[in-house]
Amino acid sequence: AQKITQTQPGMFVQEKEAVTLDCTYDTSDQSYGLFWYKQPSSGEMIFLIYQGSYDEQNATEGRYSLNFQKARKSANLVISASQLGDSAMYFCAMREADTGGFKTIFGAGTRLFVKA
Amino acid sequence: DSGVTQTPKHLITATGQRVTLRCSPRSGDLSVYWYQQSLDQGLQFLIQYYNGEERAKGNILERFSAQQFPDLHSELNLSSLELGDSALYFCASSSAGADITDTQYFGPGTRLTVL
Repeated sequence: AQKITQTQPGMFVQEKEAVTLDCTYDTSDQSYGLFWYKQPSSGEMIFLIYQGSYDEQNATEGRYSLNFQKARKSANLVISASQLGDSAMYFCAMREADTGGFKTIFGAGTRLFVKA
Repeated sequence: DSGVTQTPKHLITATGQRVTLRCSPRSGDLSVYWYQQSLDQGLQFLIQYYNGEERAKGNILERFSAQQFPDLHSELNLSSLELGDSALYFCASSSAGADITDTQYFGPGTRLTVL
């Protein structure tokens, strides 16, 4: 079974509008971390935002916010006031305990296109 | 700029050959992670080192090996290369590597092409 599921292979959004990128996860652990990364066409992976499983408030970082719904096991990324530079691949990831340490699992990604 | 450096940026080689990818973590980070990103497999975790010792292992082939040196830089060695090894290889670093909250910062990647 997929640990991280991003159901939207591609999304379109009009410039200046908000967009939500979906992410659901599967874990039986109580303690875990959720991350979002952006990968522009240039290829680098850019850290955007982090949410801990015990954090009661949704994480926010500038125009990025994470809509964390623990009971539904979802961690959707909300980008407000989209800009042309937001066009990129976005990856959701989960960090959880593993034998002897921790592991981070990435979803398949969602490609976001911002239209002018 | 994440502060993580990787060399070389591009590498083209032939099947059966061996290559070494190099990574320098952000200043102060003790953990280094290696990932492989290919079109069909997505982003796959290979291995993690923490302060010179192997900490976690993912889907790393036996033909691949890594190490972290006393100055904390790391090398990923890929041998007996196959066409399917063509991918973007990322190095990431984090301050500790033994915590749920540990954020990994990625380098620019090394694009490996095996012909």
